[in-house]
Amino acid sequence: ELKVEQNPLFLSMQEGKNYTIYCNYSTTSDRLYWYRQDPGKSLESLFVLLSNGAVKQEGRLMASLDTKARLSTLHITAAVHDLSATYFCAVVVSYSSYKLIFGSGTRLLVRP
Amino acid sequence: EADIYQTPRYLVIGTGKKITLECSQTMGHDKMYWYQQDPGMELHLIHYSYGVNSTEKGDLSSESTVSRIRTEHFPLTLESARPSHTSQYLCASSAHSGYGYTFGSGTRLTVV
Repeated sequence: ELKVEQNPLFLSMQEGKNYTIYCNYSTTSDRLYWYRQDPGKSLESLFVLLSNGAVKQEGRLMASLDTKARLSTLHITAAVHDLSATYFCAVVVSYSSYKLIFGSGTRLLVRP
Repeated sequence: EADIYQTPRYLVIGTGKKITLECSQTMGHDKMYWYQQDPGMELHLIHYSYGVNSTEKGDLSSESTVSRIRTEHFPLTLESARPSHTSQYLCASSAHSGYGYTFGSGTRLTVV
């Protein structure tokens, strides 16, 4: 059974600081997604990482994937208040079912 | 504009009532999914479908049932709602290739 673990679960940081969220998964997969969720809302797709070594950047967020280590990171650069949200990573279980299995989420609070 | 629609957006209902949560997508996606999410918590897969007349239970046991009679429609039914069913239910779909998952806005269910 695939397990997806994120840490930290909660992150409070000051504006302007940098930080990294980690996502570990337990079985082979080379397809990983990052989502953002605002309170009471649905999911907003941020990144899809499809191969080992993939790196994608959008604004102050950068995501990477190491399939050998079964690890993805979401790096936040010079955080701003608007980035406050919950961030989820999700891993595809297999190509036949394409089930997405989610991590527990990281609740990010950026303080002024 | 959303290509996957969930109704109702909010529902408050009494214990013992039968309810159906609707999910429709206009993208012709083969695969559809239902996730259950408690506030601020991770998403749990409760049902998925490969295509018409194909449904499977997800990783989290659920008393709900689903059907897939048409490609675009994937309703979820609770025969007798209980307070323990109070949660947010998110519907999603993906193409046959499995690249890209689209999530609906969700139904926030409260059983009193």
